Amino acid sequence: DAGVTQSPTHLIKTRGQQVTLRCSPKSGHDTVSWYQQALGQGPQFIFQYYEEEERQRGNFPDRFSGHQFPNYSSELNVNALLLGDSALYLCASSLRVNEQFFGPGTRLTVL
Amino acid sequence: GEDVEQSLFLSVREGDSSVINCTYTDSSSTYLYWYKQEPGAGLQLLTYIFSNMDMKQDQRLTVLLNKKDKHLSLRIADTQTGDSAIYFCAESKGSGGYQKVTFGTGTKLQVIP
Repeated sequence: DAGVTQSPTHLIKTRGQQVTLRCSPKSGHDTVSWYQQALGQGPQFIFQYYEEEERQRGNFPDRFSGHQFPNYSSELNVNALLLGDSALYLCASSLRVNEQFFGPGTRLTVL
Repeated sequence: GEDVEQSLFLSVREGDSSVINCTYTDSSSTYLYWYKQEPGAGLQLLTYIFSNMDMKQDQRLTVLLNKKDKHLSLRIADTQTGDSAIYFCAESKGSGGYQKVTFGTGTKLQVIP
């Protein structure tokens, strides 16, 4: 079992661009959550996907959107990137219970 | 509201016990978690406790929950240099496909050989 995987590992974008991050959940997991972790901070909840629908959302603007596919993998899209979007983006998966497993994250740098 | 607070830093000597503390404000939390994050890595789930429990022990880890005071602690017995990392407390609300997890700002544990 590969656990939760995320791609890419690192990404550099410029302000105004759009980015797509990808996550494959742990085998057997059906729920995917996304978090933003700024340097020196705890992860902040962005949203959660279950049965291909966004079920919960944190305090993030509409520039942040996502998708879950039938195979439970997920994408996080961020439009009109700002410098403040630079962070580690973490994906976590679970099987409808409260035990989330995290991936290694994607480090996004916005210049 | 939702707020999880932790002290920023803890330093202990190898072999001693470490106690990391956390306070939360949401009394409707269902689960409380402890995660470990090493430099440049994702989060590793260490242990979690259901909100109707007072204590949970798992090898060197002991979690204590005081629901009245909304206080959670993680005790690491016989702390090793490999335990040096940032430890995050987190609370969750909801269940099944509806779950929102709120993290604290993390406590950096430094283990001195």
